[in-house]
Amino acid sequence: EDKVVQSPLSLVVHEGDTVTLNCSYEVTNFRSLLWYKQEKKAPTFLFMLTSSGIEKKSGRLSSILDKKELSSILNITATQTGDSAIYLCAGHNAGGTSYGKLTFGQGTILTVHP
Amino acid sequence: GAGVSQSPRYKVAKRGQDVALRCDPISGHVSLFWYQQALGQGPEFLTYFQNEAQLDKSGLPSDRFFAERPEGSVSTLKIQRTQQEDSAVYLCASSPGPSYEQYFGPGTRLTVT
Repeated sequence: EDKVVQSPLSLVVHEGDTVTLNCSYEVTNFRSLLWYKQEKKAPTFLFMLTSSGIEKKSGRLSSILDKKELSSILNITATQTGDSAIYLCAGHNAGGTSYGKLTFGQGTILTVHP
Repeated sequence: GAGVSQSPRYKVAKRGQDVALRCDPISGHVSLFWYQQALGQGPEFLTYFQNEAQLDKSGLPSDRFFAERPEGSVSTLKIQRTQQEDSAVYLCASSPGPSYEQYFGPGTRLTVT
């Protein structure tokens, strides 16, 4: 059974801090690792990582995949209160009829105080 | 352009009632997924459609759950004889194909009393 584990489960920081969120995965027929941000509604897509060691960056957010360690990290620099949300990572299965299925971790709840 | 939409946004059902949840995917997206998200948890896979074909329904928790996408566009998730444990947010996602990123709708929050 596919499994994704995130740590920490929650994190409280002050504006301006840098945070690192962790994700480890065990996904059969692994294709890619995805990160989403969830506020009070739909998860919003952040990154999709397919290749190991190549950093993807969007503004203050960046992420990298390590296929050898079966893990990924999401970094947020110079955090702002608007970054407060649940951050979800998901493993993307590319096998047979499960092709496309995402297995999510429990999420990391990030709270950024002014 | 328009994103994924779901209706209703909130649904309260009495135990034993049947409910139907609707998903309108992004136009042209062939892949459609349903997930169930319990409070404090990540979404869990329920079922997957490629066009009108339901290729994977391994995540449906019981035979009370049924999903369809008859014309390869709009999808409906039906839950018969609802139980309290069915209370959750039901998320729909679509993508251009199974290997692409998925875009989520706002979800339907189902509360069974």
